[in-house]
Amino acid sequence: EAGVAQSPRYKIIEKRQSVAFWCNPISGHATLYWYQQILGQGPKLLIQFQNNGVVDDSQLPKDRFSAERLKGVDSTLKIQPAKLEDSAVYLCASSLDWGDQPQHFGDGTRLSIL
Amino acid sequence: GENVEQHPSTLSVQEGDSAVIKCTYSDSASNYFPWYKQELGKRPQLIIDIRSNVGEKKDQRIAVTLNKTAKHFSLHITETQPEDSAVYFCAHQGITGRRALTFGSGTRLQVQP
Repeated sequence: EAGVAQSPRYKIIEKRQSVAFWCNPISGHATLYWYQQILGQGPKLLIQFQNNGVVDDSQLPKDRFSAERLKGVDSTLKIQPAKLEDSAVYLCASSLDWGDQPQHFGDGTRLSIL
Repeated sequence: GENVEQHPSTLSVQEGDSAVIKCTYSDSASNYFPWYKQELGKRPQLIIDIRSNVGEKKDQRIAVTLNKTAKHFSLHITETQPEDSAVYFCAHQGITGRRALTFGSGTRLQVQP
C-alpha cells in the first residue's frame, strides 16, 4: 500500500512570511496527525483529526498555525506569520482509527526560517 | 502528566553486542507503547509496539518489555549490526484525555563494525 505522502520536502522562507504543507494519508486511515520535530528532539503533536473533525489541537499555536481536513482525507497545515523558532521538520502521520493503532509517518517537510 | 523519559541519549556498541534503551512514563493510564527508528533525514519507522495486556514481545532481533507497576518499558536489540545505527524513539499513549502519542527525546545508537 502507498504510504503517507507529504509535500513539499523542503521549504525556506523568511520570518513573517506564510507557508503551507500538504499531507495525503494512507487510504482508509480515519485519523491524521501533524507533528513538529525540532532538531534533536522527538516529534511533538500539533493537531489530531478524526475524519474531518479535530480531536486534539491543545498544543497548536493557534495565533499563527492553522490546519484543516475538509473532506476527511487530505490535510493542510499553515503557518502565518512564521517565526524563527518554527524551523523544524513537520511530520504527518495516519492511523486506521484513534486509540492504540500504529501510526505511520510521512517523510516530512523540512522548514527553514531565515 | 504525560511525560516520558528516555535513556541513554547516546549509545555506542560493537557489532554483535546487545543494546538496551529504557523509557519511564508517568501516566498510569497509558496502554500502548510503540518504538520508532529514525535514520538521518528520514521518516520515523515503527519497529515494534506493545500493549498493556502483555509484558514482552519479540520480533527477530528486537524485543520490548513492559513493567506497568514500575511504569517503564525497554527496547532490546540483540546481535546488533551497523544498519541498526539510527535514532530510536519510545512513545506512549494514554486511554483518557489526550490519546495522541507522547515521544521520548530519542537515543542515538551507533553500532561500530
